[in-house]
Amino acid sequence: EADIYQTPRYLVIGTGKKITLECSQTMGHDKMYWYQQDPGMELHLIHYSYGVNSTEKGDLSSESTVSRIRTEHFPLTLESARPSHTSQYLCASRGQDSSPLHFGNGTRLTVT
Amino acid sequence: AQSVTQLGSHVSVSEGALVLLRCNYSSSVPPYLFWYVQYPNQGLQLLLKYTTGATLVKGINGFEAEFKKSETSFHLTKPSAHMSDAAEYFCAVSDQGYSTLTFGKGTMLLVSP
Repeated sequence: EADIYQTPRYLVIGTGKKITLECSQTMGHDKMYWYQQDPGMELHLIHYSYGVNSTEKGDLSSESTVSRIRTEHFPLTLESARPSHTSQYLCASRGQDSSPLHFGNGTRLTVT
Repeated sequence: AQSVTQLGSHVSVSEGALVLLRCNYSSSVPPYLFWYVQYPNQGLQLLLKYTTGATLVKGINGFEAEFKKSETSFHLTKPSAHMSDAAEYFCAVSDQGYSTLTFGKGTMLLVSP
């Protein structure tokens, strides 16, 4: 079973607040990813990282930022939350290029 | 750029019937292909993957998929549906650098008794 953890599971927050979604993995994977998932839509890659001090923007334009100071930790931050940020955010990691992504259980964010 | 098309946002089957979920992809390089399943309020879980070698791959829970290069397809099948198979299924293809995955929109499988 994959060991990748996301907190919080659910978050309701007001417009304009700063929030950080946490993601940690204990598998020693170098590559980590953040996907945004909306009902009936494909998962959209918003950020990824090849390893410590590496961050890349994904296909979907996002107002969020990420950091990768430690291998096991890949937090995502929204400086000023808006209702358009309401979505489910999935964190994932993988080892080698042919290996599958291991997903956390997601954070469901609601911005009021 | 790579892309994934999953035909049918919803597929309904009766318990015991054949399950067939369709996936077509486009890729500029030999693809790595994946099927994932998502149960309510959970992340995605790997069902099976194709990288190289045998084109018929077997996964967990009795699912299998066949890579057909000529048809650019990677359809998911299971001979006999079970109520516990009701979930959303996502097909994914690796990008050109094999560093990220592109996902389809998903197919919700509904299983009736």
